[in-house]
Amino acid sequence: AQKITQTQPGMFVQEKEAVTLDCTYDTSDQSYGLFWYKQPSSGEMIFLIYQGSYDEQNATEGRYSLNFQKARKSANLVISASQLGDSAMYFCAMRGDQGAQKLVFGQGTRLTINP
Amino acid sequence: NAGVMQNPRHLVRRRGQEARLRCSPMKGHSHVYWYRQLPEEGLKFMVYLQKENIIDESGMPKERFSAEFPKEGPSILRIQQVVRGDSAAYFCASSPHQGADQPQHFGDGTRLSIL
Repeated sequence: AQKITQTQPGMFVQEKEAVTLDCTYDTSDQSYGLFWYKQPSSGEMIFLIYQGSYDEQNATEGRYSLNFQKARKSANLVISASQLGDSAMYFCAMRGDQGAQKLVFGQGTRLTINP
Repeated sequence: NAGVMQNPRHLVRRRGQEARLRCSPMKGHSHVYWYRQLPEEGLKFMVYLQKENIIDESGMPKERFSAEFPKEGPSILRIQQVVRGDSAAYFCASSPHQGADQPQHFGDGTRLSIL
């Protein structure tokens, strides 16, 4: 079974600051993928970034980077130079290499950027 | 727009009625997943389908819920005799093929409200 834990229900950050959203995971799969999605108040799910379990480099996509620490089973999302439009719910998810390969989501972190 | 298309965006039903939710995957994607999101929670897997086949329905309630992905046309999630507890956002996602490294691309969701 796979499990994702996001321990921060809410985060408040000043505009232009960097923010780290925590995510820890548990799985018995040898190969897996870790994903972050953003859900703004309008409700859609927006794919942000992906990290493979065998990737040696941390993933980066523009202002998003993933701090992947495999031994600690953590995959924290770092947003640099935060903007007001970053205010949203953020979900960490994982997908294993067995069975249906469904996404397993954490409970999410609500990020609020203050001007 | 070549993204995942879901309709309707909002659906209101009275208790006891039927709800039909539709999902057209991205072009070239043959793997469809349905997820349910209760307020302030992460998404929970319901069912995984390929064309004309249900591959994994382990997340579907045993009664009243069914899903299909016919050879022609969209995938349908059907809820019979709806109850208040069915009120949620239902998301469809697609991917081109299996693999832990494949992100799932989501539609905008259907918000189901039961009166």
